[in-house]
Amino acid sequence: SQKIEQNSEALNIQEGKTATLTCNYTNYSPAYLQWYRQDPGRGPVFLLLIRENEKEKRKERLKVTFDTTLKQSLFHITASQPADSATYLCALENQAGTALIFGKGTTLSVSS
Amino acid sequence: NAGVTQTPKFRILKIGQSMTLQCAQDMNHNYMYWYRQDPGMGLKLIYYSVGAGITDKGEVPNGYNVSRSTTEDFPLRLELAAPSQTSVYFCASSYIQGGWGESKDTEAFFGQGTRLTVV
Repeated sequence: SQKIEQNSEALNIQEGKTATLTCNYTNYSPAYLQWYRQDPGRGPVFLLLIRENEKEKRKERLKVTFDTTLKQSLFHITASQPADSATYLCALENQAGTALIFGKGTTLSVSS
Repeated sequence: NAGVTQTPKFRILKIGQSMTLQCAQDMNHNYMYWYRQDPGMGLKLIYYSVGAGITDKGEVPNGYNVSRSTTEDFPLRLELAAPSQTSVYFCASSYIQGGWGESKDTEAFFGQGTRLTVV
């Protein structure tokens, strides 16, 4: 069955640095991959979607890459701020193409 | 637009009781989902629906039931609550044209969650 792994449960960085989060998947070749942000006590909020034919996508300080050979996506936050502290989830469609499945998430803490 | 609305926000149930978690969306989305989130375990798909009258099981459906009589509403029913069902429950919706891979915009919109404790 398909599996999504977000390698780090927690990532601590200093303000101004670039945060890099990793998402790996197995047993599947998704048409796209999504990233969400979740704050404590709230539901996940969509950030970015990247398709299999896109190598990189940017939105303000966010950058996502998608390597279908490595079966990996990297999520970068440049010039990180304490307000970026949250849990970040990657997600892709299930094999039936009917729902999203999620990784466990990486909790990012940015200290000032 | 209110987006996805879940009620209640919090609930404590006794073992063996039953309840319905309500979920409504006002975005005319065809797909709706129920997930549960346990600490450190990520989101697990319970049930999903691709349109009114159509539902299917996700990864962890045991102990739950759903119905989708309208496009807007997707209630989740817990029968005979057990401590293992203590979790935070999220409802979500999205608009998918064709299949996931074909659809232009596939982002999922989530509700605020229902924190359920079974004692």
